[in-house]
Amino acid sequence: KAGVTQTPRYLIKTRGQQVTLSCSPISGHRSVSWYQQTPGQGLQFLFEYFSETQRNKGNFPGRFSGRQFSNSRSEMNVSTLELGDSALYLCASTGGGAVYNEQFFGPGTRLTVL
Amino acid sequence: GQNIDQPTEMTATEGAIVQINCTYQTSGFNGLFWYQQHAGEAPTFLSYNVLDGLEEKGRFSSFLSRSKGYSYLLLKELQMKDSASYLCAVNDDYKLSFGAGTTVTVRA
Repeated sequence: KAGVTQTPRYLIKTRGQQVTLSCSPISGHRSVSWYQQTPGQGLQFLFEYFSETQRNKGNFPGRFSGRQFSNSRSEMNVSTLELGDSALYLCASTGGGAVYNEQFFGPGTRLTVL
Repeated sequence: GQNIDQPTEMTATEGAIVQINCTYQTSGFNGLFWYQQHAGEAPTFLSYNVLDGLEEKGRFSSFLSRSKGYSYLLLKELQMKDSASYLCAVNDDYKLSFGAGTTVTVRA
């Protein structure tokens, strides 16, 4: 069974640009969560989607948005990039595991903002 | 708000035992996870506790006390490959809140 996949793996952008990251969950999983990981702040929750609906949202500005498609694939978008948005963006999918709400993480997208 | 605390760093010798503590104060609680993350890689699941007590899985064990807002991860018979960051995370319906992580260094 294929794991969680994220594309692209690496991305370099400049301030003011926007970026879209993609996540394909494990087959059969319907929940996708997004996290930002930085050395200073650790892993921080961005948002979670289930059946195309956002069920929970973290404390990030409105520049961060996401969506989920009918096939459970998810995208997140960051507009008007700032230097502080440089981070590893991880997505995780849930469902089908023996452990309630166990989240399986993808390899992440490393975003660098110059 | 969510407040999850764990030590920043720990060092131990190969073959030894290390205990990583995690204390939490969160608005909701549906269980506590421990994840391992090697440098440059994604977190991988280690254990999950939703009821008080000890869960054992091979060399790794995890303990939870909900009344005290406390958990620990016990790593036995340490191996060099156990050098990694260990993340404590509280599950609060559709959302995991993570601690900053504990970097464990295993020395020969």
